[in-house]
Amino acid sequence: EAQVTQNPRYLITVTGKKLTVTCSQNMNHEYMSWYRQDPGLGLRQIYYSMNVEVTDKGDVPEGYKVSRKEKRNFPLILESPSPNQTSLYFCASRLGAGVSSYNEQFFGPGTRLTVL
Amino acid sequence: AQSVTQLDSQVPVFEEAPVELRCNYSSSVSVYLFWYVQYPNQGLQLLLKYLSGSTLVESINGFEAEFNKSQTSFHLRKPSVHISDTAEYFCAVSVAYSGAGSYQLTFGKGTKLSVIP
Repeated sequence: EAQVTQNPRYLITVTGKKLTVTCSQNMNHEYMSWYRQDPGLGLRQIYYSMNVEVTDKGDVPEGYKVSRKEKRNFPLILESPSPNQTSLYFCASRLGAGVSSYNEQFFGPGTRLTVL
Repeated sequence: AQSVTQLDSQVPVFEEAPVELRCNYSSSVSVYLFWYVQYPNQGLQLLLKYLSGSTLVESINGFEAEFNKSQTSFHLRKPSVHISDTAEYFCAVSVAYSGAGSYQLTFGKGTKLSVIP
């Protein structure tokens, strides 16, 4: 089954304790991205990756890191989480980055993060 | 840069009544437009999209949206809603470049549709 998976689905942590949220897709997609969803603000893009070893900042990258060492995986790293990073996080992927290769963007099930 | 405005944050409607969820966009170039749906405790799913061609697009579960370039709108409609349509709906826009390069989906803030029995 074609899908985007995220782990963990729920996480409660404390300020300053480094954490990683994993994201994996099995569709051989080139383009992957991370969003955070906050009430009244919709989805805002954190980082995106156009291919292996190619990443770039989205609209709200502060406090986050990403890496893309393999095509299927795109982990989100919070090196020193703070309470304002409490949010619902979604990973997404699509076939390609360019308009000519556009198709549907698939979303993972979400990770609900609480930072105390 | 493009932007999306969803005019209503919450829309309550009785079962079997019609509904319209409004979406307006801003862009200086041609765009692609999308509606995504998020059911409770789930990720987003693509509901329908406008890339080119007919300005009226339909989904498999009875929703439709019409691209109106002059009014820069892409409103979502359904003539008769069901309880199962209760969800949050997001409008999204992407610029349609003719050349190579990445493009970004910009999402609206969402509209929560509540269907009342």
